[in-house]
Amino acid sequence: NAGVTQTPKFRILKIGQSMTLQCTQDMNHNYMYWYRQDPGMGLKLIYYSVGAGITDKGEVPNGYNVSRSTTEDFPLRLELAAPSQTSVYFCASSYSPQDQETQYFGPGTRLLVL
Amino acid sequence: AQSVTQPDIHITVSEGASLELRCNYSYGATPYLFWYVQSPGQGLQLLLKYFSGDTLVQGIKGFEAEFKRSQSSFNLRKPSVHWSDAAEYFCAVGARTGTASKLTFGTGTRLQVTL
Repeated sequence: NAGVTQTPKFRILKIGQSMTLQCTQDMNHNYMYWYRQDPGMGLKLIYYSVGAGITDKGEVPNGYNVSRSTTEDFPLRLELAAPSQTSVYFCASSYSPQDQETQYFGPGTRLLVL
Repeated sequence: AQSVTQPDIHITVSEGASLELRCNYSYGATPYLFWYVQSPGQGLQLLLKYFSGDTLVQGIKGFEAEFKRSQSSFNLRKPSVHWSDAAEYFCAVGARTGTASKLTFGTGTRLQVTL
């Protein structure tokens, strides 16, 4: 199993551009999450999904959108990039119901908005 | 709402010395507690977790953590640190809210190991 994979690893965007961060997991996990990590701030939850077709907002959803059409994929969309969205983005997944709480993380996408 | 405090931003220890990283949490019910490690440029790797039962939990890489309900703490320990342990360590508390379980992370402790 590859686990949780994310693409791209690094991206530079200009203000106002849009992009999609890709996340795929091959563990057949129902639950998937998107976090952002800023220096000295820990990880903040952006969006999460409890299954295909079901998504919900986390702590910091503004400026982002998600969709979940399959169990494996959970892309994160930035529509109008802003400098405040410069961050490292992590995707994670977890299995329900036996061990829903343990989340497994991808390697991250580093995004720079200039 | 739950919260996690890691009071030490940065810790330096000598290789071979013992290590303790502090974590305090706030949560109304029995928490699910986690320690993750992040090496530079990498994602987060699960070190260990506590759900219930024995309050001393063993993890990977020789780490252990002890859950102390009376102190709302879940400190991470290792008896002898190796240079490869240099990384950032995150404590997290998990809670079921609505349809999903969400993790709340502390701000992390950066560990430096001197040779």
